[in-house]
This record gives sequence, structure tokens and C-alpha cells, in this order.
Amino acid sequence: AQKITQTQPGMFVQEKEAVTLDCTYDTSDPSYGLFWYKQPSSGEMIFLIYQGSYDQQNATEGRYSLNFQKARKSANLVISASQLGDSAMYFCAMRDLATNQAGTALIFGKGTTLSVSS
Amino acid sequence: DTAVSQTPKYLVTQMGNDKSIKCEQNLGHDTMYWYKQDSKKFLKIMFSYNNKELIINETVPNRFSPKSPDKAHLNLHINSLELGDSAVYFCASSQGESYEQYFGPGTRLTVT
Repeated sequence: AQKITQTQPGMFVQEKEAVTLDCTYDTSDPSYGLFWYKQPSSGEMIFLIYQGSYDQQNATEGRYSLNFQKARKSANLVISASQLGDSAMYFCAMRDLATNQAGTALIFGKGTTLSVSS
Repeated sequence: DTAVSQTPKYLVTQMGNDKSIKCEQNLGHDTMYWYKQDSKKFLKIMFSYNNKELIINETVPNRFSPKSPDKAHLNLHINSLELGDSAVYFCASSQGESYEQYFGPGTRLTVT
């Protein structure tokens, strides 16, 4: 069975600093996707970044990058130059791609609350 | 232009009542999902539909019944509401096997 583990319940960082949010995963599937979502206090789920298991390079999207270490089964999110607006809960998620079936759900970790201070 | 919308945003009701949450997406996606986020913020899949066909039906009480009248809509009907049903329910959609799932704003259900 697939599993996502986020061991940091809360992280604190100052503005303009970089922060790494940890995510490890467990799966026996050879093909899978890894996702990060942001949930601010307003409650919506915002997609940040995606990494496929066969992607050779780490994904980047603006200030977000995904540090993908396949052998360690980790997919850490790196946020560079933190901003006050980055304060939110962050979820790591996984999706099995091996079955190539529409409707396959995301499996989420428990989330990490990031607090950015000025 | 709202991509995935849910109504209502807030729903307060008493135990034993029956309620529905509606979801609509205007992205042309053929796959839709219902997720539940509990009081500890844990998100878990409940159902998924592809082209109106039920794909995933996780172990949820059969008091929960999804209905997909067409590809753009996936409604969630809950019978005999219980205190433990209080949660935030998210609808999401995606296109086929594509990677990203687009989430609606969520419906906060409170059962008293």
C-alpha cells in the first residue's frame, strides 16, 4: 500500500530565508507521481509542484523546487526566499501512475504547518 | 471564472438530517473526486468518477452516496447525518490520467 509521511508538524522560518519541508513515501509501484499542495488558512487547496518517478531532473516552479531522491524515497519541498504569504499548511501527496487509470486518487500525508515571520 | 465550484460553502445541520453538497467543474475534465478532510486536517479519498462511472468507492458508510448526472457534476448526498460526519469535503477534478487535480473551495459541514 502507498503511504506518505510528513514528520514535521510545524516549521518556522523568517522572511527571505529558504525552508525545506520533508516528505518520504512508500510504494511498490514503479510509476508514480509526487505532488505538493498548499492550504492557506482560507482553506482552498493550491497545487504547487509535481514530480514524476521517471523524471530525470528535479521539478521547479518559481520559488518552489522539489528535491527528489528516489533511492531514499524522499520528495522534499524547498521554498526559497520565504514570504509572509507562504504561511500555510503544506501537503505532500502521491498518485499511482502504473495502472494508467483515470480516477486514481491522491494519497496525502498529514501535512506540515509553515509559519513565516517578519 | 471558477474552475471547480461547490455549494454550499458552509453547511450546519442537525443529526439525523439528510443533506447534499453539489460540485461543478467547467474545465471539461472527465474525472471527478470527493475527498474528506477531518478535524486533524487529514485528507482522504472517498469516491472518484470517470465519465460518470464510479471508479473508487473507499470504505465509507453507505449513508454517503455520490451521484454524477453528467461529466461536469458530482454531487454528494449524505443520509442520517452523524456528529462524526463533521468535516470539510473537497471536490476535485482532473483530465484523464493527467497529473494535477484541481480542487474546489471545500464545504465545511458541521453536524450538531
